[in-house]
Parts: sequence; structure tokens; C-alpha cells
Amino acid sequence: GENVEQHPSTLSVQEGDSAVIKCTYSDSASNYFPWYKQELGKRPQLIIDIRSNVGEKKDQRIAVTLNKTAKHFSLHITETQPEDSAVYFCAATNPPSNTGKLIFGQGTTLQVKP
Amino acid sequence: DTEVTQTPKHLVMGMTNKKSLKCEQHMGHRAMYWYKQKAKKPPELMFVYSYEKLSINESVPSRFSPECPNSSLLNLHLHALQPEDSALYLCASSQDNRANTEAFFGQGTRLTVV
Repeated sequence: GENVEQHPSTLSVQEGDSAVIKCTYSDSASNYFPWYKQELGKRPQLIIDIRSNVGEKKDQRIAVTLNKTAKHFSLHITETQPEDSAVYFCAATNPPSNTGKLIFGQGTTLQVKP
Repeated sequence: DTEVTQTPKHLVMGMTNKKSLKCEQHMGHRAMYWYKQKAKKPPELMFVYSYEKLSINESVPSRFSPECPNSSLLNLHLHALQPEDSALYLCASSQDNRANTEAFFGQGTRLTVV
């Protein structure tokens, strides 16, 4: 089955710096890659997603890139702010099973220092 | 309305109790999910309902019993739980069970088994 690896597990940056989180997946058939942000005690919230027919997607300070050949995708946050501090999860879905099942990475705790 | 609503927010139950978690969405989504999340870990899929039918049971112990009374509601019945079942239980929904549709999460029920 699909396996998603996420790095780093923790990331500390100064306010205004950029942050990059990387994920690799194992199943070349996976075709949807969402990123979720989870603040302490709150629900995971989708911040950006990318489908396998696209190489890059951007939404204001957040961008995601996908390399299908290498089977990895990355989250890029520019001009980080303290409110970006949270746990970020990448995920992949495996279409042949047609279940909508999300396979999550282990998460990255991002700390943005003011 | 883009909300998935879960009740209760917090639940403390004894090992001999029977309780139920409830989840509701009014987005017309036809796939609904139960996830379990331990502290500092990613959500783990428990069950998937597609068009009100159980399509995935991730080998969950029978002390957890899901129910989907209609397309808007999802319940999780709990009986004879163990302390290690204490966790955040998240409900999610998506348009359908295709593998490339956004999943919306509820705020979760924080369950403590004593």
C-alpha cells in the first residue's frame, strides 16, 4: 500500500524567513496530494492541494510543488508569521482502491519565532 | 455551509460505559470518515462510508461500531473501551469517495477512557 514519509519532524524559523517541508510517497498511482495545517487542539484544515496533472500550485504565501518522477512533493511557506506555527501534515490518496482514503505523513511541527 | 459538526467536544467514559459520538454535515457529501488521532501523531483512518454504506473498516476492534443513518449523519458507538482508546476522534466528509476530492474535518471529540 501507499506509504508517505515527511521531513523534517520539527522546523524552527525566524519570522519572515521561508519554510520548506518535504514528503515522499511510494505508490506512483497516487494522484492527489493535500496539505493540512493543525493548530493545537483544533481540526486539521486543508491549506493547499495539488493533483498529479499539475507540477506547482501557489496561493499567496503558500506553494506546493510535485515531482511525479521522483515521487515527492513539497510545501513552501514564504514570509512566515507567528500564526503559521502549527503541525503540518502532507497526505496522498491511492486511486485504485477508490476509497478517498488519505495516507498521512508523520507531521512537521513548525515554530515561527517573532 | 462548509462545516462538519461533531458532538460532544469532550467525553469522559468508564470502561463499562456505552456512549456515542455524532457527526453531521450539510454539504451534500456522500463519503464520510472516522479517524483516530493520538497526540503528536497523524490521523489514522478507522472507517469509510460511501453513499451510506460501509466501504472500509481498517481492522478496527468491534468495541467501535460505526453507523450511517442517512447521508448527513455519521455515528460512532463505543462500548467496553480501554484506556489506550483515549484519543481525538475526527469525523471527515468529502464529495464522494474518489481519491482526489477534498476532505473536510470536524473539530473532533476528545475522548478519555478511565
